[in-house]
Amino acid sequence: GEDVEQSLFLSVREGDSSVINCTYTDSSSTYLYWYKQEPGAGLQLLTYIFSNMDMKQDQRLTVLLNKKDKHLSLRIADTQTGDSAIYFCAFTGTGFQKLVFGTGTRLLVSP
Amino acid sequence: EPEVTQTPSHQVTQMGQEVILRCVPISNHLYFYWYRQILGQKVEFLVSFYNNEISEKSEIFDDQFSVERPDGSNFTLKIRSTKLEDSAMYFCASSRWEGGGTDTQYFGPGTRLTVL
Repeated sequence: GEDVEQSLFLSVREGDSSVINCTYTDSSSTYLYWYKQEPGAGLQLLTYIFSNMDMKQDQRLTVLLNKKDKHLSLRIADTQTGDSAIYFCAFTGTGFQKLVFGTGTRLLVSP
Repeated sequence: EPEVTQTPSHQVTQMGQEVILRCVPISNHLYFYWYRQILGQKVEFLVSFYNNEISEKSEIFDDQFSVERPDGSNFTLKIRSTKLEDSAMYFCASSRWEGGGTDTQYFGPGTRLTVL
């Protein structure tokens, strides 16, 4: 079955880099996404990567995909206090299918 | 920038009552979804909807749930007889098929449903 796991919590200091990790089991994943959820708010799409890519950079965000190990990571450079939120990885298979979400990682950025 | 909107932001209901959660997807999107997130848990898929019919649903989406697109702009989720365990944040999402590209789903802010 489909399963997506993330570490529950990450704490960093402002200005450091944050790396949030995600492992998944479904090898048919076509697109892999990172969503951000701030307290009491909805899910904000941050970035995504297609499964035939290894890396994607988007300003302060870098997504790395290791298909062999079924491992996805999100690196946030120069982390700011405004980056404090829960980060979810998610994936879809082929076509217009459901998103399967990870457990979420709570990122806490201290000044 | 266009966004998905949802109403109400918070709904409190008594067990056994019917509730309707409303969503206005992004106007040129064709695919609509409902997800839910029980407090402290994962976001779970409920149902997807395209061309006026359900295209996929999860085992959570039983006979107590239904979806409808009553007009050209709204997309609704109805829970016929609410249970305590239906208490959750319900998210609506929409997407448009980009012809071989990603079917990126954009989420609304959610409706918090509390069943007493």
